[in-house]
Amino acid sequence: AQSVTQLDSHVSVSEGTPVLLRCNYSSSYSPSLFWYVQHPNKGLQLLLKYTSAATLVKGINGFEAEFKKSETSFHLTKPSAHMSDAAEYFCVVSDNAGNMLTFGGGTRLMVKP
Amino acid sequence: EAQVTQNPRYLITVTGKKLTVTCSQNMNHEYMSWYRQDPGLGLRQIYYSMNVEVTDKGDVPEGYKVSRKEKRNFPLILESPSPNQTSLYFCASSLTGGNGTQYFGPGTRLTVL
Repeated sequence: AQSVTQLDSHVSVSEGTPVLLRCNYSSSYSPSLFWYVQHPNKGLQLLLKYTSAATLVKGINGFEAEFKKSETSFHLTKPSAHMSDAAEYFCVVSDNAGNMLTFGGGTRLMVKP
Repeated sequence: EAQVTQNPRYLITVTGKKLTVTCSQNMNHEYMSWYRQDPGLGLRQIYYSMNVEVTDKGDVPEGYKVSRKEKRNFPLILESPSPNQTSLYFCASSLTGGNGTQYFGPGTRLTVL
């Protein structure tokens, strides 16, 4: 069985400062990992995914994440926050067959002017 | 326009009254899935379908049914809804299974009284 823990339910940053959203996972195999973003009253959109290629994954809108197997982590970062980044972010792991997805509880990112 | 549509978007019903939430995609995707979103719990997978007539349980299938008679449609059926099924429901589709990019519908907010 797999699981995902997002270590912060809320993160607040000032516009122009770095963003760090933390995610730890548990899996008995080499996982595929994803970050999805949900803007208010919208569906979810894929930010980036890791599927056993390069451990540093670049996504849309300047976000990136690093897969660290030894730490079982997949933290999401962005060098400089923008007001439009305010949203809820979900870390996701898929099962070995790539059929079942397990979501973390979500991190709400707030960006202050 | 490539999209996943859900109907209805909002529904208030009473305990025990059977209901169906429809999901349709126009991208010829083989994989479709249903999730429920509850505060603090992220999204939890209810059922998924790898192709026509192929469905399987996710993490929280109790109280739900699905069918996949056509590739484009994947309805979610609540035979006897209960208040604990009050939630926000999302349908998603993907070309290549759970490891592929999930395209999410706009969501259906269900309230069971």
